[in-house]
Amino acid sequence: GAVVSQHPSRVICKSGTSVKIECRSLDFQATTMFWYRQFPKQSLMLMATSNEGSKATYEQGVEKDKFLINHASLTLSTLTVTSAHPEDSSFYICSARDPWRSYGYTFGSGTRLTVV
Amino acid sequence: GQQVMQIPQYQHVQEGEDFTTYCNSSTTLSNIQWYKQRPGGHPVFLIQLVKSGEVKKQKRLTFQFGEAKKNSSLHITATQTTDVGTYFCAGPGSNFGNEKLTFGTGTRLTIIP
Repeated sequence: GAVVSQHPSRVICKSGTSVKIECRSLDFQATTMFWYRQFPKQSLMLMATSNEGSKATYEQGVEKDKFLINHASLTLSTLTVTSAHPEDSSFYICSARDPWRSYGYTFGSGTRLTVV
Repeated sequence: GQQVMQIPQYQHVQEGEDFTTYCNSSTTLSNIQWYKQRPGGHPVFLIQLVKSGEVKKQKRLTFQFGEAKKNSSLHITATQTTDVGTYFCAGPGSNFGNEKLTFGTGTRLTIIP
């Protein structure tokens, strides 16, 4: 099936620094990718929709200047958490869909971000 | 905005017992998807239901889409330890052609051996 690779799987950073998370569709092209955040024992909250070659669409309440999304190719989307603070610590997951193979979405393995 | 609720929030069952989680959307859905997330893992797509009243089975799992296309259920027969995880339903956005999903609140299943 469709494969989505996400890196890094874990990252610890100091408060005030920036962290970049990569999401790659390995065996299909993804014009659209989705970025979610998940707090412990909670559901997935959609942060933004990443569109290849155009600006991302952010959900209400998500700061676009803090969570920078770039989707420069059909197989790569990146999420940069800028000036990270401890409250940004969370599990970030991307997803994409190969419409030729599945109705469902394939998720990356997620990135656990800890800001100290 | 669209809200998708699931009950129960947690379910502890003895191995071999049945399990059911219920999903309710505040809006009519064009389809409903179900995902399973193992502890420490990422969501994995299980199935999509599209038609009103549709029932689909995958081995011990039975999925149902309500007649009004606002609710759904997942039933697991004779649970096994491999069924441990959180089960999420998810529905697409209300706008035509909107691909983004709204996930339900999830039901966490634990199995008592």
